[in-house]
Amino acid sequence: DFVMTQSPDSLAVSLGERATINCKSSQSILYSSNNKNYLAWYQQKPGQPPKLLIYWASTRESGVPDRFSGSGSVTDFTLTISSLQAEDVAVYYCQQYFTTHYSFGQGTKLEIK
Amino acid sequence: EVQLVESGGGLVQPGGSLRLSCAASGFTFSSYSMNWVRQTPGEGLEWISYIRSTSSATYYADSVKGRFTISRDDAKNLLYLQMNSLRVEDTAVYYCATESEGGSYSPYWGQGTLVTVSS
Repeated sequence: DFVMTQSPDSLAVSLGERATINCKSSQSILYSSNNKNYLAWYQQKPGQPPKLLIYWASTRESGVPDRFSGSGSVTDFTLTISSLQAEDVAVYYCQQYFTTHYSFGQGTKLEIK
Repeated sequence: EVQLVESGGGLVQPGGSLRLSCAASGFTFSSYSMNWVRQTPGEGLEWISYIRSTSSATYYADSVKGRFTISRDDAKNLLYLQMNSLRVEDTAVYYCATESEGGSYSPYWGQGTLVTVSS
């Protein structure tokens, strides 16, 4: 099984400051034949379904503000919000889709300090 | 506009059955693989099942394998999840989600339907 572990579990950041969330996979999710990392990031606000932010570890979904960026490769990945806005308060999840049995991280709750 | 609307949730006793539906619109449903993902109250997301666009392949999480069955009716633009032998720990909001044309990430999700398993 591919276990996804996020850190930290919760995070408080001041408005306008940078927020960084980490995600570590128990196995490589880099597919060598196409050099793509099979990792996505989602944002979930209370009472709403998850919203796709990033796929292929670093490709921003259409309509997602450019303050959101993804980086990393193989087993270690990062979601960065460059300048936190009030509307970014949410829980963030990473997901691997490398295998036929997808798995999510446990989530990181992002709040305003 | 892509829309996914789940239905069929409700209260069921342990050991009981329930069938969830997901009505899709705004895209060519038959061309897309689909997933069911659940979220226990106040907890994280758990992928539980996948069905390929041609129904040629289905996969299940170990937690539901042998009890749940995913299927689709492309003529009706409907995705299903038949849930048997339900357990208290199956209590969750169940979401259907599309996959993208380009990869197995999910750009579209329904609003979810709540399943409560309790005596």
